[in-house]
Amino acid sequence: KAGVTQTPRYLIKTRGQQVTLSCSPISGHRSVSWYQQTPGQGLQFLFEYFSETQRNKGNFPGRFSGRQFSNSRSEMNVSTLELGDSALYLCASSVGGGEKLFFGSGTQLSVL
Amino acid sequence: SQQGEEDPQALSIQEGENATMNCSYKTSINNLQWYRQNSGRGLVHLILIRSNEREKHSGRLRVTLDTSKKSSSLLITASRAADTASYFCATRHGSSNTGKLIFGQGTTLQVKP
Repeated sequence: KAGVTQTPRYLIKTRGQQVTLSCSPISGHRSVSWYQQTPGQGLQFLFEYFSETQRNKGNFPGRFSGRQFSNSRSEMNVSTLELGDSALYLCASSVGGGEKLFFGSGTQLSVL
Repeated sequence: SQQGEEDPQALSIQEGENATMNCSYKTSINNLQWYRQNSGRGLVHLILIRSNEREKHSGRLRVTLDTSKKSSSLLITASRAADTASYFCATRHGSSNTGKLIFGQGTTLQVKP
């Protein structure tokens, strides 16, 4: 089985722009979660989608949004980028929000 | 804010030695998991221990859980240079049916050949 695939691997944007990140979960997995990782704040939960519905949401501003498609693929969008949004964004999938998560390699976003 | 606190933040040992990392959390949990991350990459699940379990083994890994002290430890025995990575504990609260985990800040382990 193919693992969790995140694209792109690296991204450079400037302040004020918006960005869309993509995540393809493991086949058969219906839950997709997103995490932000920074040196200062560590790993922070963004949101979780299950069967195209947002099931959990972390404490991030409304500039961060996501969606999930019928094939379980997920995207997250960050609008009006700020310097502090520079981070490694990790996507994880599981069968049903099940017990262990399978992570992708992440998208490294740099905001200049 | 982060749920878990990990100790130590960094650990450097020689190959063949054991490495112990500790994790503390604040509120009751459904389960606690340990993940490993190689530099700048995704996390890999190592082991899960449920709130009603006290100890679990997987290969060279041993995890303990003390719910009365709200703490867990991960022991890696006979370490290898390839074990060099960051290790994170993560807790799940409430229902087990959720992809939301609360991660600790992690322990960076360096194993010298």
